[in-house]
Amino acid sequence: GQQVMQIPQYQHVQEGEDFTTYCNSSTTLSNIQWYKQRPGGHPVFLIQLVKSGEVKKQKRLTFQFGEAKKNSSLHITATQTTDVGTYFCAGRPGNAGNMLTFGGGTRLMVKP
Amino acid sequence: NAGVTQTPKFQVLKTGQSMTLQCAQDMNHEYMSWYRQDPGMGLRLIHYSVGAGITDQGEVPNGYNVSRSTTEDFPLRLLSAAPSQTSVYFCASSYTWGIGNTEAFFGQGTRLTVV
Repeated sequence: GQQVMQIPQYQHVQEGEDFTTYCNSSTTLSNIQWYKQRPGGHPVFLIQLVKSGEVKKQKRLTFQFGEAKKNSSLHITATQTTDVGTYFCAGRPGNAGNMLTFGGGTRLMVKP
Repeated sequence: NAGVTQTPKFQVLKTGQSMTLQCAQDMNHEYMSWYRQDPGMGLRLIHYSVGAGITDQGEVPNGYNVSRSTTEDFPLRLLSAAPSQTSVYFCASSYTWGIGNTEAFFGQGTRLTVV
């Protein structure tokens, strides 16, 4: 079964509101990656976190990797309509060898 | 630089037919993989390869075969198509799979319908 879980599955926000998606793994991850998929498109890499407790920012996006390297979050400040899409986390669970396992994704919808 | 190229973009198959989804990358990446994406299920790994001549099963390998005779190509074969294999298929590649930058580059996807 899927070892990387993501919540929520869907999120509707008003433009300008903040948004957060959470990623949890049952096992320690060597690193965590985040991807964005626009409607009808393919996943595009956003960032990779490697260190315990790491925090990285990309303009309005803030990514965190938990101290135990089992969870991560993506926070978007003041959403815009261009943020619409599905956000996926992906990691290599400790007992899954070389498999890059994706979470189920959070679909973000932004109302103008 | 083409990146990851998948063909075809769309395909309709009848139950029981076989076909091969093509995937090629021109970035000299070691790691290649195939995912299927179904509504509400995210991306599920079918098969992956860490180099030419080496393949392994992912989460949902049944009904699919792969081979990796060259670094560039990683075709996915459906042996006998079933309606449950209706999905969007993505091929992805990355420079490596372990320590370091393992950013995955995805192809445009193949939308497969089995009737």
